[in-house]
Amino acid sequence: ETGVTQTPRHLVMGMTNKKSLKCEQHLGHNAMYWYKQSAKKPLELMFVYSLEERVENNSVPSRFSPECPNSSHLFLHLHTLQPEDSALYLCASSQEWGRLYNEQFFGPGTRLTVL
Amino acid sequence: TQLLEQSPQFLSIQEGENLTVYCNSSSVFSSLQWYRQEPGEGPVLLVTVVTGGEVKKLKRLTFQFGDARKDSSLHITAAQPGDTGLYLCAGVMNTGFQKLVFGTGTRLLVSP
Repeated sequence: ETGVTQTPRHLVMGMTNKKSLKCEQHLGHNAMYWYKQSAKKPLELMFVYSLEERVENNSVPSRFSPECPNSSHLFLHLHTLQPEDSALYLCASSQEWGRLYNEQFFGPGTRLTVL
Repeated sequence: TQLLEQSPQFLSIQEGENLTVYCNSSSVFSSLQWYRQEPGEGPVLLVTVVTGGEVKKLKRLTFQFGDARKDSSLHITAAQPGDTGLYLCAGVMNTGFQKLVFGTGTRLLVSP
């Protein structure tokens, strides 16, 4: 595997379910990101981890809970979601967080549908 | 929240046509990136422009950063079906750390 991988690629869940999204990067990067991509909004940054520490949380509801056990893995735990949370969730990584000209490498995303 | 507006939102053209996509903001950015996202994939970086007035070329794609570093444009010459995708600009804001703010996106369809 190379680059940034995400699983599952598609997820359908009810509002009372609990599920987790997984992201893995094979690039040796120190920073990892969760983004939400909705049909009618710009790409929204949700969380940033640098060296396994959360460095940014953009007013994301508590029903989204991130976890970064090591610099290669990032999870997004989901519980009691709402239908408006349906979106494409993208994971990205970069060499460092906060570095000038920071290129981010994105995974293919998880298409989430909340019923 | 700083907003990067892209225009047009949607563009459907025939193979061989030229097109320009615009990315505008009232904010100044330390640099600006352009990404392309194909269906079922994440965005992929195309280019980073850094200096006001800078022009970069990537084969048939020409990227320009405005003199005031508030806007940018992407021009594609002789578009091909392989250029189809969502084009995203992203401004790097110098807020003590380098924060990336994404534009609203331009969806391009190039038909054979």
